[in-house]
Amino acid sequence: AQKVTQAQTEISVVEKEDVTLDCVYETRDTTYYLFWYKQPPSGELVFLIRRNSFDEQNEISGRYSWNFQKSTSSFNFTITASQVVDSAVYFCALSEARNTGTASKLTFGTGTRLQVTL
Amino acid sequence: NAGVTQTPKFQVLKTGQSMTLQCAQDMNHEYMSWYRQDPGMGLRLIHYSVGAGITDQGEVPNGYNVSRSTTEDFPLRLLSAAPSQTSVYFCASSYSNGGYTFGSGTRLTVV
Repeated sequence: AQKVTQAQTEISVVEKEDVTLDCVYETRDTTYYLFWYKQPPSGELVFLIRRNSFDEQNEISGRYSWNFQKSTSSFNFTITASQVVDSAVYFCALSEARNTGTASKLTFGTGTRLQVTL
Repeated sequence: NAGVTQTPKFQVLKTGQSMTLQCAQDMNHEYMSWYRQDPGMGLRLIHYSVGAGITDQGEVPNGYNVSRSTTEDFPLRLLSAAPSQTSVYFCASSYSNGGYTFGSGTRLTVV
């Protein structure tokens, strides 16, 4: 069975601080996808990134960066120079990557609520 | 605009009432699913479908029914609503493992 653990329930930072959101996963699948989603106060789910288990390169997108370490089953998300608009709940998720290319179930962590204050 | 459309956005039910949450997508995605979101629990899978005529249970299926008569639609039925079903419900579709498109959610309150 797949499992995603986000041990940090809530994090509070002051604007311009860097913050890292942790994600640890468990899976028996040899190939899988990892995701991060943002849920702002308005409630919708905003896709941030998808990472294939074959690709362990770190990724940077503006102030966002992701560190994927297969050896420790972690996929951590860092926001550099946080802003008030980053305040949201962030979810890490995992799905099996089937060689048929068909979609499979997405398993979510419980989320980390990030509060950025002035 | 292409995407996943959920209706209604808000609903209040009395215990024992039935209702259907609608989900429609116009992207020809084979895979569709329903999640519920509760505080501190993340999103949990209720039911999913890998194509028309095929459905299966997820992590928390009790109290919910689904059907998939067309590729586009995947309604979620509550036959006899209970207060424990108060939650935010999300529908999602996917063409492959490449990505999931989520609806905007339905906030359901059962009193």
